[in-house]
Amino acid sequence: AQSVTQLGSHVSVSEGALVLLRCNYSSSVPPYLFWYVQYPNQGLQLLLKYTTGATLVKGINGFEAEFKKSETSFHLTKPSAHMSDAAEYFCAVRISSGSARQLTFGSGTQLTVLP
Amino acid sequence: DAGITQSPRHKVTETGTPVTLRCHQTENHRYMYWYRQDPGHGLRLIHYSYGVKDTDKGEVSDGYSVSRSKTEDFLLTLESATSSQTSVYFCAISEGASGYTFGSGTRLTVV
Repeated sequence: AQSVTQLGSHVSVSEGALVLLRCNYSSSVPPYLFWYVQYPNQGLQLLLKYTTGATLVKGINGFEAEFKKSETSFHLTKPSAHMSDAAEYFCAVRISSGSARQLTFGSGTQLTVLP
Repeated sequence: DAGITQSPRHKVTETGTPVTLRCHQTENHRYMYWYRQDPGHGLRLIHYSYGVKDTDKGEVSDGYSVSRSKTEDFLLTLESATSSQTSVYFCAISEGASGYTFGSGTRLTVV
């Protein structure tokens, strides 16, 4: 079974500072990895995903993440935070084979951007 | 936006009553999922479907049942609502390796 750990339930950064949200996963087979963002009272929106190929993945709104197999990590970064980035972020893992295609989510990280 | 809608968006119900939430898609995706979202727990899978009449349990399925009689509709039923089922419920659809597309959620309060 796969699992996801997001380190830090709350992260605060100043506007213009680097954003780093941490995600570690466990999976017995090659994983597919995802980051989702949730704005207040809305559903989840896909930021980026890793399936195969290049390990550095670029997503929407200037975010990117790097798949590091040796560290079982998929941390999310953005060079310069904007006030509009304030939201909750979820890392998720899915095994790359099998019929269920279930996503397993981390518990989320609430990002606050300070002026 | 992908064609996925949830209804109702908000509902308040009394303890012990049955409640049905509806998820409707226009994408003809094979896979559909019901999750609940609670603070500190992220999203947890309740049930999922991999085709018409083909469903299976997720990690928090107790007290819930589902049905999928048509590709486009996936119903979640709380057989006898309890206060612990107060939550935000999300439906999602999936096809291929593209991850999920989520509905806007249903906020359910059991009083």
